[in-house]
This record gives sequence, structure tokens and C-alpha cells, in this order.
Amino acid sequence: NAGVTQTPKFRILKIGQSMTLQCTQDMNHNYMYWYRQDPGMGLKLIYYSVGAGITDKGEVPNGYNVSRSTTEDFPLRLELAAPSQTSVYFCASRQQVSGNTIYFGEGSWLTVV
Amino acid sequence: AQKITQTQPGMFVQEKEAVTLDCTYDTSDPSYGLFWYKQPSSGEMIFLIYQGSYDQQNATEGRYSLNFQKARKSANLVISASQLGDSAMYFCAMREGRASNAGNMLTFGGGTRLMVKP
Repeated sequence: NAGVTQTPKFRILKIGQSMTLQCTQDMNHNYMYWYRQDPGMGLKLIYYSVGAGITDKGEVPNGYNVSRSTTEDFPLRLELAAPSQTSVYFCASRQQVSGNTIYFGEGSWLTVV
Repeated sequence: AQKITQTQPGMFVQEKEAVTLDCTYDTSDPSYGLFWYKQPSSGEMIFLIYQGSYDQQNATEGRYSLNFQKARKSANLVISASQLGDSAMYFCAMREGRASNAGNMLTFGGGTRLMVKP
């Protein structure tokens, strides 16, 4: 049972570089989310999507972009990486109708130096 | 104002004893959901238990139960018979509004680190 899969698990970026965090889910969930977790803190929502072709901003979207070309995939793009983007990133998904349970990926540790 | 408050940054509990992790929330929406997640040192977020605002009974899942006091806006997690593997960060979270609206995302508290002593 794959669930929500994120890659890479660890990455070190230099300031100004760009990268994409990949997220895929095999549960046919409509809703997908990207969260970031700063050290010792709870998670904050970056972007979310209600289905293929539809995305919207969350609480902390600046410096990020997303796309949703398929139901399964929801990549998160960091443009011009900054030290403030050093964080752990979680992708998550849930069902539309009875989606009380949100399934998280294992997290991606990103350090910007 | 904080929507989710967890006032215990860290707690110790003796193995096999019960422990209560506190969570208070703030919302004016009559429809909401409350969640508890466990985050072990490996980092993944593990769903533990869910309580809907209209649920009449407290949620239970094995050794986990949620003490839901709606008038006090509290949703404390009770872990019975603590085990060494329960040592982890625990996050309380709330979804305001109906589950059918994807934009009603989870808001997380700051977490409580639980340490189980042998």
C-alpha cells in the first residue's frame, strides 16, 4: 500500500536554486495539500488542490508554485530558494466526501544554505 | 488569536500509566472536526483519532480516546497504558467547516512532546 509518496526525502539547496518536490498518491483522492513544518512547530498550509487543474493558495504560499495535471500528482516548486524555506515539507491527501482522515507522506527535509 | 493551543510543550509519563495531552481550540463555525496526529522521531505524521463537532460520543481508537468538551472548547487526547513506542510529538489539529470543502484545511497546534519512561 503506497499511499502518499514524496521525493526526495532529503535535499540541500543553495540560495537562489530551484527545485521540485514530487508528490503522488494512489488512493484516487480528489483533495491534495502541501504543508511545511518549521522546527518545533505545527504544520502550515502552503497550497492545496481540489482536483486536476485546480489549485489554490494556503496560509504561506509565497515563494512556491504548484500544479495538478493529474489526480495522482501534485508537485511543489520552489523558485529562487531562500534560507527561510528550510523546513520539512509534507504532502497530504484525502477523499472529497467522507474525508475526515488526511493521509500524509513521509516528509521531505529541505535545507537551503 | 491561536486557533489551536497545546499548552504542554513536553511531558513525561511512566510506562503503563495513562496520560492526557491538552488541546483547546477556537472557532465560531458550528461545523468542525478535531484531529490528533502522532509524529515519531522518524518524522512521518500518523493519524490517531478524529472527533466531529456534532458527534455525541467521545471518539475512541484502541488505547486512544478523545475527551471532547464542546462548551469548554477542549479536545484532550487520553492515551491509556502508555508504551515506550508512544514517545513522540503529538499534534492537535482542527478543520473548520465541512469536510466536503477542500479549502477547509487543517490548522495545527504547536505540539506536545511525550516521553515515556521505562
